[in-house]
Amino acid sequence: DVKVTQSSRYLVKRTGEKVFLECVQDMDHENMFWYRQDPGLGLRLIYFSYDVKMKQKGDIPEGYSVSREKKERFSLILESASTNQTSMYLCASSTAQGKAFFGQGTRLTVV
Amino acid sequence: GDSVTQMEGPVTLSEEAFLTINCTYTATGYPSLFWYVQYPGEGLQLLLKATKADDKGSNKGFEATYRKETTSFHLEKGSVQVSDSAVYFCALRRHGGSQGNLIFGKGTKLSVKP
Repeated sequence: DVKVTQSSRYLVKRTGEKVFLECVQDMDHENMFWYRQDPGLGLRLIYFSYDVKMKQKGDIPEGYSVSREKKERFSLILESASTNQTSMYLCASSTAQGKAFFGQGTRLTVV
Repeated sequence: GDSVTQMEGPVTLSEEAFLTINCTYTATGYPSLFWYVQYPGEGLQLLLKATKADDKGSNKGFEATYRKETTSFHLEKGSVQVSDSAVYFCALRRHGGSQGNLIFGKGTKLSVKP
């Protein structure tokens, strides 16, 4: 069974902390994505990566960075967490044809 | 830029009713089109897809036809069940290299009552 695993289901962090969200896929996919999901706004792309060490900004990259040192792992970094980054974060990987597999999501609360 | 627009929810239906969730897109070239479903407490999963004009994707009784002339990919099901209650996302994917990211609509929440 194919799998995208996000390291945490729930996280609570303080304002100003550096936060790491980890995502691992076991399907040898080249494409990986980070989205945030907010009520009324749907899924918004933060960053995506189409190869190891390659990254591209999505629609809302401000306040975030990413790391793709290995093909199977795509990390999202909040350099200095703020309350407006409280959200559900979804990681996905996809085949070359665009079929995406999603992780369960990480609900991050910044207090 | 490329975008996906889908009807706003929530949509509330009785069991066995007919479902349509509208989706239109704006894109250069010929994107692939997808419907994803998110059941409560879970991540998104692919429901169906179509890769070229006039293709029909189907799965679990759901269907959607890629209409290039109307730039639409409406989701339909003839008889919904309570277990279909979920959030449905329309998405497109541009083709090629670094442009291959998935773009999602805002999602439509469907509630089916017994």
